Amino acid sequence: DTAVSQTPKYLVTQMGNDKSIKCEQNLGHDTMYWYKQDSKKFLKIMFSYNNKELIINETVPNRFSPKSPDKAHLNLHINSLELGDSAVYFCASSSSYSGRARYEQYFGPGTRLTVT
Amino acid sequence: AQSVTQLGSHVSVSEGALVLLRCNYSSSVPPYLFWYVQYPNQGLQLLLKYTTGATLVKGINGFEAEFKKSETSFHLTKPSAHMSDAAEYFCAVSARQLTFGSGTQLTVLP
Repeated sequence: DTAVSQTPKYLVTQMGNDKSIKCEQNLGHDTMYWYKQDSKKFLKIMFSYNNKELIINETVPNRFSPKSPDKAHLNLHINSLELGDSAVYFCASSSSYSGRARYEQYFGPGTRLTVT
Repeated sequence: AQSVTQLGSHVSVSEGALVLLRCNYSSSVPPYLFWYVQYPNQGLQLLLKYTTGATLVKGINGFEAEFKKSETSFHLTKPSAHMSDAAEYFCAVSARQLTFGSGTQLTVLP
């Protein structure tokens, strides 16, 4: 009964390649997020989608492109991978209808991306 | 604008001792405050949250936190540490979006 799932869990690739990470949630939430966690464990939001619409787009290189085919899925495509993209990427979800709980986010297990 | 400062990137306690992880926040609007825990190679799990109402909030695994508006603090405590509490702990504040602190690595010594 995984609430927020991500695939793959580990991704090792070479510089210049293009890769995608997939995220799915079965919580019935309408908002999904991508976070990047660097080697020092610092968490930074990258994107947020509400009902398939982009609502948060932090300063992220254009090589990163999120896509939300429906409310339950948010994928992250990365073009021309660079060494600095190595990190753990977390997907999260929340419900904008939950009143006080609307900022409570549920996280996936993470995807560890290593660029060589 | 909002921000979170976690004092102490590493905290070590002995098993059975008090756990105190410090968090101070800044927010231009009344904040919602959260503590998340991250075990090795896992995602973040919500420990507890403060939205409104009672300023002392209880969470899972025996943790609690107290919201002190005058001190802009939301420190996390647990009366007696257990080996299984060893993890990374993140404080977060939310006004329009969730902003995380830099995390505190808790080590529990036998």
